[in-house]
Amino acid sequence: EIVLTQSPATLSLSPGETATLSCRASENVDGNSVAWYQHRPGQSPRLLIYGPSARATHVPDRFSGSGSGTEFTLSISRLHPEDFVVYYCQQYGRTPYTFGQGTKLDIK
Amino acid sequence: EVQLLESGGRLVQPGGSLRLSCEDTGFAFSGYAMSWVRQAPGKGLEWVSRVSGTGSETEYADSVQGRFTISRDNAQNVVYLQMNNLRADDTAVYYCAKERNKWLPNDAFEMWGQGTVVSVSS
Repeated sequence: EIVLTQSPATLSLSPGETATLSCRASENVDGNSVAWYQHRPGQSPRLLIYGPSARATHVPDRFSGSGSGTEFTLSISRLHPEDFVVYYCQQYGRTPYTFGQGTKLDIK
Repeated sequence: EVQLLESGGRLVQPGGSLRLSCEDTGFAFSGYAMSWVRQAPGKGLEWVSRVSGTGSETEYADSVQGRFTISRDNAQNVVYLQMNNLRADDTAVYYCAKERNKWLPNDAFEMWGQGTVVSVSS
């Protein structure tokens, strides 16, 4: 099973700043098949980025993904107040699909 | 617009059984791989099981292998998760999730249901 480690666990920033979230895989992810999800409390997760740099439908271009092999990054520029929630990376290159433990974005 | 609608979650005793359902109310279901993903209280997301678009292939996390069975009915646009021998650590919100592209062997989850709560306790 591919283990995904997200860092940092919590990131404290202010609105308007840029967030950089990291996801490290325990081995190369097949096809760089990494996705990022935003998860608000009480709601379903929302797909932001897949493959690992394509934006999902209706996702603003403030969100961008990059990386390959074992290192992947989600960047969120010009942070809005509604961006301060939890983000998960996921590898779907092979089963068992796995998720990182999440990064919580906090308002400083 | 609600597209994936889960049901079946409730309080059940340890060792009990439960069947979750997820109905796709959208226009395309057949051919899209579907998964169940859960989130235990205070924890992150955990992939549980996956069924291929035709239903011929199924896969499971080690934590549920041998206890849970995933299946689908493409005529009714429904995916099921039969959960047997439930344990306290199966307590979670269970989401069904639909992969983005049916022509790819694996893909990200573009659509998620609202979740159904399973609580295992005596």
